[in-house]
Amino acid sequence: DSGVTQTPKHLITATGQRVTLRCSPRSGDLSVYWYQQSLDQGLQFLIQYYNGEERAKGNILERFSAQQFPDLHSELNLSSLELGDSALYFCASSVGIGNTIYFGEGSWLTVV
Amino acid sequence: SQELEQSPQSLIVQEGKNLTINCTSSKTLYGLYWYKQKYGEGLIFLMMLQKGGEEKSHEKITAKLDEKKQQSSLHITASQPSHAGIYLCGADLNTGNQFYFGTGTSLTVIP
Repeated sequence: DSGVTQTPKHLITATGQRVTLRCSPRSGDLSVYWYQQSLDQGLQFLIQYYNGEERAKGNILERFSAQQFPDLHSELNLSSLELGDSALYFCASSVGIGNTIYFGEGSWLTVV
Repeated sequence: SQELEQSPQSLIVQEGKNLTINCTSSKTLYGLYWYKQKYGEGLIFLMMLQKGGEEKSHEKITAKLDEKKQQSSLHITASQPSHAGIYLCGADLNTGNQFYFGTGTSLTVIP
């Protein structure tokens, strides 16, 4: 158990809908990362937050947004969902920049 | 293009055999991480290498970092079925503080 908690574990939704994925980082970790993993794209970095502030942005679509709250948990919002958004979404956390990054078990999103 | 390339993409070995997975960066490495993933599950942290020439071992897995070559290798000795999975290298390439992952190597160990 990495200590990073993600909910829900599985989610099936229809195209055009909006979902929110939630992540609780390890106790004491200030940095949260979101990744998308699909069969054809591999593990893609989406966005990183550090202590509530956006730190780095990767290949995150405009339909997606994220935030980190004062209690350090984070949410990834995915809207106007398309079939191609079906993937495993990982949250990860670390104490800070340059420290070991620990991953949650992931949230499986299936868009039908 | 991928900033971190892994080779081979997939590997099938007989139990008991040794094997090596390589990770090559197109940019300067500021620390290199190795993770293992079973399909559909989370990534398990294996080890982190921070200095050139550094070598770390955990059970039968050894990783080395060659900073000059911008490369790391992961070596498994006397492989077991429990070693099967996808191995991913990851690194902060200091290009906007993004943490990149390699293309992954799928390892199958035949009993």
